[in-house]
Amino acid sequence: AQKITQTQPGMFVQEKEAVTLDCTYDTSDPSYGLFWYKQPSSGEMIFLIYQGSYDQQNATEGRYSLNFQKARKSANLVISASQLGDSAMYFCAMREDFYDKVIFGPGTSLSVIP
Amino acid sequence: DAGVTQSPTHLIKTRGQQVTLRCSPKSGHDTVSWYQQALGQGPQFIFQYYEEEERQRGNFPDRFSGHQFPNYSSELNVNALLLGDSALYLCASSSKHRLAKNIQYFGAGTRLSVL
Repeated sequence: AQKITQTQPGMFVQEKEAVTLDCTYDTSDPSYGLFWYKQPSSGEMIFLIYQGSYDQQNATEGRYSLNFQKARKSANLVISASQLGDSAMYFCAMREDFYDKVIFGPGTSLSVIP
Repeated sequence: DAGVTQSPTHLIKTRGQQVTLRCSPKSGHDTVSWYQQALGQGPQFIFQYYEEEERQRGNFPDRFSGHQFPNYSSELNVNALLLGDSALYLCASSSKHRLAKNIQYFGAGTRLSVL
């Protein structure tokens, strides 16, 4: 069965520092996609980055990078040079290609300190 | 290029009533998924519509139903509302095209309060 685990309910980071948000997943489907979303207090879910299970390289999008370790079933999000606007909830999500539905983890609340 | 739009933004209903939420997908997208997000939790998958049919469904009762129209827009209907249905309802759209990677883009949500 699909499952996403995010073990850090809350994280603090100093402005301009890098931070890593942890995500582990469980699936028996060899073909799947992993996603990270940001949800500010306004509520809108903002897509950040995507990693396919067959992608050879780790995904990067601007200040966001995904540290994909397939054997360990982990997909950690790295945010470089944190900004005050990065303060939000961050959700890791996965889609198994066979079932084509997305499940989300419980989220990590990130607070950036000036 | 308009993103995913949802209406209304807020809604207050009483127990036992019925509600309809609406979603217009991002231009070029043909698939709509609905999620329920309770306070302090991650979104829970309700169902997905593609080609005007329900393709996948999460663990939600039959009180939750939906529809997709020929222009790809979608509605979520909830009958016999319960207090526990109070949540943020998120709509996400995506494309089945291979290059789109099935990435889902979300609307701002409809916040439903059941009194």
